[in-house]
Amino acid sequence: DAGVIQSPRHEVTEMGQEVTLRCKPISGHDYLFWYRQTMMRGLELLIYFNNNVPIDDSGMPEDRFSAKMPNASFSTLKIQPSEPRDSAVYFCASSSLANEKLFFGSGTQLSVL
Amino acid sequence: QKEVEQNSGPLSVPEGAIASLNCTYSDRGSQSFFWYRQYSGKSPELIMSIYSNGDKEDGRFTAQLNKASQYVSLLIRDSQPSDSATYLCAGSSSGGSYIPTFGRGTSLIVHP
Repeated sequence: DAGVIQSPRHEVTEMGQEVTLRCKPISGHDYLFWYRQTMMRGLELLIYFNNNVPIDDSGMPEDRFSAKMPNASFSTLKIQPSEPRDSAVYFCASSSLANEKLFFGSGTQLSVL
Repeated sequence: QKEVEQNSGPLSVPEGAIASLNCTYSDRGSQSFFWYRQYSGKSPELIMSIYSNGDKEDGRFTAQLNKASQYVSLLIRDSQPSDSATYLCAGSSSGGSYIPTFGRGTSLIVHP
């Protein structure tokens, strides 16, 4: 298996633009997580899905952030409009059970100018 | 607010020494604990998991859990420069979701 695949690896955009991050989880994994990592706040859970259904989005910072999982093999995290404070590394992770090992993608380094 | 606390470090140890990384958690109902290693610019990868009180050993790594004290630790024996990384402690939340909450990580530097 290729592991969790994220795209793009790097994204540089200007304030106010829409940003879409993409994730393909490991086949057969029922859980998908979106995390954001910064030096100040560490690794924060934004939202997670179970069987394509959003279960907890309490970590999503505000309405500018949205996430979807239209099928078992694809998820997106969208920021619209983007702001400089959104600059961070965004990780997608998947697992077969909620309290088991998380497999992380390579992350998307987002820079909002 | 359920939290996992770690000293950010850096923790600096000489090659061959034992590195001791510590973590405390606030959610007394947490059942599962994990140590992830994250190299600079890379994604976290799981190195140890522990579910019951006591020690769990895997090669040069030993995880220790004390639920009464709400304390988790990771010992790395015979530390190597290749162990230099940030180590993230995570505890699963209670209340049914079991989703792991991560600490901010401890930076470990193993110098030759």
